[in-house]
Amino acid sequence: DTEVTQTPKHLVMGMTNKKSLKCEQHMGHRAMYWYKQKAKKPPELMFVYSYEKLSINESVPSRFSPECPNSSLLNLHLHALQPEDSALYLCASRYRGLGELFFGEGSRLTVL
Amino acid sequence: LAKTTQPISMDSYEGQEVNITCSHNNIATNDYITWYQQFPSQGPRFIIQGYKTKVTNEVASLFIPADRKSSTLSLPRVSLSDTAVYYCLVGAYGGATNKLIFGTGTLLAVQP
Repeated sequence: DTEVTQTPKHLVMGMTNKKSLKCEQHMGHRAMYWYKQKAKKPPELMFVYSYEKLSINESVPSRFSPECPNSSLLNLHLHALQPEDSALYLCASRYRGLGELFFGEGSRLTVL
Repeated sequence: LAKTTQPISMDSYEGQEVNITCSHNNIATNDYITWYQQFPSQGPRFIIQGYKTKVTNEVASLFIPADRKSSTLSLPRVSLSDTAVYYCLVGAYGGATNKLIFGTGTLLAVQP
């Protein structure tokens, strides 16, 4: 299994809603990433988990709350988002600090 | 962190060889160079990775000069389906850092 699975594929939410994005991999990778990508821009690093511990937070606003419940799962909890947070949210994983990143297909988020 | 610079866009025709360059002047001794391909609304996909000299796989070649301050991704005989954005990333291999930052990328447009 060489897949990173992200759910949901599409999400529409209001600014007062609370929702979550989910990412799952079963490749034994111990580093997991969240990236945010706006249209025609490169992916922008948000968070990195290493061995289920948050190792990098790229000064992301607190309305985005990551969680890594176990080595296979990564969540991104969303609360009180703004319309400018609308983007494609990409999850990726890799084996510790080695090798390439494996990306999911992304979750397209629209904030109304 | 090594910053990467790539051309914003390139045009080519089917059947031609395409070379995309990436500049990374402050690359560190432990850094590897990795290239990704991204189609619209999909996650980036690994193409090739190298440290020095030349690396070749079934889809591309990567040329890295001795000073490692630049690299060139070579795509032989491109087809319409190679139209995508190509990103060069520089990051540590086996090191403690997991911080992988995407540069601006190169939009390759292949025409018939």
